[in-house]
Amino acid sequence: QVQLVESGGGVVQPGGSLRLSCAASGFSFSAYGMHWVRQAPGKGLERVAFIRYDGSNESYVDSVRGRFTISRDNSKNTLYLQMHIMRPEDTAVYYCARDLFTYMDVWGQGTTVTVSS
Amino acid sequence: DIQMTQSPSSLSASVGDRVTITCRASQSIRSYLNWYQQKPGKAPKLLIFAASTLQSGVPSRFSGSGSGTDFTLTISSLQPEDFATYYCQQTYTMPMYTFGQGTKLEIK
Repeated sequence: QVQLVESGGGVVQPGGSLRLSCAASGFSFSAYGMHWVRQAPGKGLERVAFIRYDGSNESYVDSVRGRFTISRDNSKNTLYLQMHIMRPEDTAVYYCARDLFTYMDVWGQGTTVTVSS
Repeated sequence: DIQMTQSPSSLSASVGDRVTITCRASQSIRSYLNWYQQKPGKAPKLLIFAASTLQSGVPSRFSGSGSGTDFTLTISSLQPEDFATYYCQQTYTMPMYTFGQGTKLEIK
């Protein structure tokens, strides 16, 4: 069935780096744009980054631009989020989600990132 | 950036009640409005897209309406499994989507 599975979360010190992965299965991954969405503890949803189906274009929320990089490997059906210079406010559950041209129809279960010393 | 404001932020209701949640955009977003349901510890689930189109598999007691700046999500008869947090999302400014702050629906 259509599935997204995130991994790579953990605890990192402020200023550190972490790379998240999102493994896709059950659909033609290379045909879809993909998002990363995060949710800080007890807070709402925030779309962090987007990448087109072919990796040709990316967009970021202002708070992560220059620190985070979204990428994909269509040969491995995998989406990535490389996070650098991490801050305590980056602490959140990170979800990957499939873009179906104006809505997000499939979501992963999330991976937890904690930025703390 | 387009701001999305939901009201109320929280709501208490009983099984069988009719419930309406409102979402207002800071500028016109035509019908580029989606609704998601999120239960504790789970990923969001798409309920309605394009303001009023029910996602496959979503019960018909859920409905959406509106266009421009004002939108509503209505649950016609609350069921126990509907108690959750609901988010609206604008996708007019693709792909810089933004969410409302959420409405927590609790059991009275």
